[in-house]
Amino acid sequence: NAGVTQTPKFRILKIGQSMTLQCTQDMNHNYMYWYRQDPGMGLKLIYYSVGAGITDKGEVPNGYNVSRSTTEDFPLRLELAAPSQTSVYFCASSSSEQLSTLYEQYFGPGTRLTVT
Amino acid sequence: AQSVTQLGSHVSVSEGALVLLRCNYSSSVPPYLFWYVQYPNQGLQLLLKYTSAATLVKGINGFEAEFKKSETSFHLTKPSAHMSDAAEYFCAVSDTGRRALTFGSGTRLQVQP
Repeated sequence: NAGVTQTPKFRILKIGQSMTLQCTQDMNHNYMYWYRQDPGMGLKLIYYSVGAGITDKGEVPNGYNVSRSTTEDFPLRLELAAPSQTSVYFCASSSSEQLSTLYEQYFGPGTRLTVT
Repeated sequence: AQSVTQLGSHVSVSEGALVLLRCNYSSSVPPYLFWYVQYPNQGLQLLLKYTSAATLVKGINGFEAEFKKSETSFHLTKPSAHMSDAAEYFCAVSDTGRRALTFGSGTRLQVQP
């Protein structure tokens, strides 16, 4: 299993541009998450999904959108990029059906985004 | 609302010395608690978790953590630090609804030779 994969690894955007961060997991996990990590801070939840077709906001959703059309994929869309969105973005997944790994989240390697 | 406080943004120890990273949590329900490690330019890797089975939890790489309800603490320890332990460590608490994690601000562990 590849686990959780994210693309791209790095990206530089100009203010006002848009982009999509890709996230794919091959573990058949029903829960997926997007977090952002700012320097010296812990991760903060942007959006999450409990299954295909179901998404909801986290603590810091402004400026982002998500969709979940399949179990495997959970893309994060940035519209009208702003310098405040400069961060490292992590995708994670977990399963509610495997008791041995209950509540454990598996993280991708991250996407480092700079908006200038 | 849940919260996690990690005391000490930077901890430096000598190789072979005891590692102690502090974590206190706030939760209105019995918590699920985690420690994750992040090596430079990498994602987060699960070290260990507490899910109310045993108060002393053993994880990977020789780390362990003790859940103390009376102190609302979940401190991470390792008897003897190794150079490869140098990384950032995050304590996190999970809610039972969204199953999302609330993270502390992290502790960067430096190991001196």
